[in-house]
Amino acid sequence: EIVLTQSPGTLSLSPGERATLSCRASQSVSSSYLAWYQQKPGQAPRLLIYGASSRATGIPDRFSGSGSGTDFTLTISRLEPEDFAVYYCQQYGSSRPFGQGTKVEIK
Amino acid sequence: EVQLVESGGGLVKPGGSLRLSCAASGFTFSSYSMNWVRQAPGKGLEWVSSISSSSSYIYYADSVKGRFTISRDNAKNSLYLQMNSLRAEDTAVYYCARDGVDFHAFDIWGQGTMVTVSS
Repeated sequence: EIVLTQSPGTLSLSPGERATLSCRASQSVSSSYLAWYQQKPGQAPRLLIYGASSRATGIPDRFSGSGSGTDFTLTISRLEPEDFAVYYCQQYGSSRPFGQGTKVEIK
Repeated sequence: EVQLVESGGGLVKPGGSLRLSCAASGFTFSSYSMNWVRQAPGKGLEWVSSISSSSSYIYYADSVKGRFTISRDNAKNSLYLQMNSLRAEDTAVYYCARDGVDFHAFDIWGQGTMVTVSS
């Protein structure tokens, strides 16, 4: 079973700064099967990125995804106040595990 | 409006059972694979189970295999999760989520229903 490890656990940044979040898989993952989600307190998760790099409907272009094989990255080019949240990566297959999450907090 | 609404959560004793439901609206339910995801208090997301559009393919996380059963009724636009032999570690908010039709990710989520397993 594939295990996804996200780093860092917490990212402390200021609005306007760039955020770079990492997701590493224990074995190679098809790029088509890697997604990123955002979750704010008390809310359900929201799909941001699918297929490693395709933005979901309505997602601003400051969010971008990249990577292949075992290493994937979510980048937020300039943090807006509403972007402070927890972010999860997920691998899609017969098993669909999530990473443990990265919290992006205001510095 | 595309919507998923979970129900059936509550307080149950260890060893007990509970059946969750997820009512879908605003889309052709029978065309989509569906999923259950849970989140223990203060913890991350944990995928629980998935079912294909015609129920031909069903998958479970190891943590629930043999205890939970996913099912669906396309005529009623509903998804279910039968949970047996519940443990304290099953305490969580349970979300249902829809698969994207052309991509491999969960594009629509319900608001969740809380399940508490405690004596």
